[in-house]
Amino acid sequence: DAKTTQPNSMESNEEEPVHLPCNHSTISGTDYIHWYRQLPSQGPEYVIHGLTSNVNNRMASLAIAEDRKSSTLILHRATLRDAAVYYCILRVDFGNEKLTFGTGTRLTIIP
Amino acid sequence: DSGVTQTPKHLITATGQRVTLRCSPRSGDLSVYWYQQSLDQGLQFLIQYYNGEERAKGNILERFSAQQFPDLHSELNLSSLELGDSALYFCASSGQLQNTEAFFGQGTRLTVV
Repeated sequence: DAKTTQPNSMESNEEEPVHLPCNHSTISGTDYIHWYRQLPSQGPEYVIHGLTSNVNNRMASLAIAEDRKSSTLILHRATLRDAAVYYCILRVDFGNEKLTFGTGTRLTIIP
Repeated sequence: DSGVTQTPKHLITATGQRVTLRCSPRSGDLSVYWYQQSLDQGLQFLIQYYNGEERAKGNILERFSAQQFPDLHSELNLSSLELGDSALYFCASSGQLQNTEAFFGQGTRLTVV
């Protein structure tokens, strides 16, 4: 499985933007970049995904590097409810589209 | 609400016993995935079914088995349970393409005593 690398933990102040980085240097041309988050004692929750272009939705923005070897999840204004473990995952071709979770980034929001 | 339903929410059983965990996927989703998450551990992929057939297998023990039924619900069977099998078990469902999101249930917390 294609591998991603994320920092183990990050802290951010409440109401500030948060930039969560992810490196995926072995990404192939058809791999989609997915982000999920897991709040304590809950199942993972889809955040956003993209292929080449930057993406925005109501939860976050995804900025993808031109060479696609890295991406950044952007939470525009962090709240305490955004404290979670964030996972950056490559979803590969049809037939092998399972999500392989790494260790993720544990985001702490400081009030 | 993700639309994925897992039952039961909690299960306490003794070592050596067998249990069945159930998952109802989101309406229209043909793929079902099972994951195991032990205390303070990551999510380990166990197995995937697509429209009733096994598509991918991860680190699933031989004591564990799963199936997906014609109505697309899935069951994960865990037998000869050991203390180390205590974990959260999550089910997820998605469409078949890699550009679709997966939706996770709230999990079944299994405690083996």
